[in-house]
Amino acid sequence: AQTVTQSQPEMSVQEAETVTLSCTYDTSESDYYLFWYKQPPSRQMILVIRQEAYKQQNATENRFSVNFQKAAKSFSLKISDSQLGDAAMYFCAGGGIESQGNLIFGKGTKLSVKP
Amino acid sequence: DVKVTQSSRYLVKRTGEKVFLECVQDMDHENMFWYRQDPGLGLRLIYFSYDVKMKEKGDIPEGYSVSREKKERFSLILESASTNQTSMYLCASRDSAREQYFGPGTRLTVT
Repeated sequence: AQTVTQSQPEMSVQEAETVTLSCTYDTSESDYYLFWYKQPPSRQMILVIRQEAYKQQNATENRFSVNFQKAAKSFSLKISDSQLGDAAMYFCAGGGIESQGNLIFGKGTKLSVKP
Repeated sequence: DVKVTQSSRYLVKRTGEKVFLECVQDMDHENMFWYRQDPGLGLRLIYFSYDVKMKEKGDIPEGYSVSREKKERFSLILESASTNQTSMYLCASRDSAREQYFGPGTRLTVT
């Protein structure tokens, strides 16, 4: 069985500051993928960043980076230099290679950005 | 760019009606998914399909069925809509790198 846990229902950050969203992914599979998706208000869900579990290096995409701690089952998302457009629901998701690529999603973290 | 479209953004139906939600993707992806999104529950998988005419139940298939007659189109069917099926429905397709691309969603209200 796989579980994805996002323990922060809501977070808030000041514009230009840094914020970290937490996620834990528990699976019995040794090879899997992890994703962070962003869903702005009334807009389409889009991929923010992905991490393959076999990769040692943490993924980065511009202002977004992850801290993947495999042993701790932790997969946090750091947003640097936060912008007003970063306000959204953020979903953590994971999927094992053996499970046909189906993703399990966390319940989401609502991020507010204060000007 | 991958494009996933859904037939309606908003839909209002009466209890007992048969409801069709359609999803179309333009990237020749083999895998397609239907999710239900509810506040505080995240996304839950209803059904998925890995090929034409192939379907698999997800975590919450009860009360739903699906159809995939063409590769680009994946339909979700509510045989007899009930008020507890009021929700946001998201369709997605998946590429070979396992990234899922989502449609804009259909907000269904059953009264």
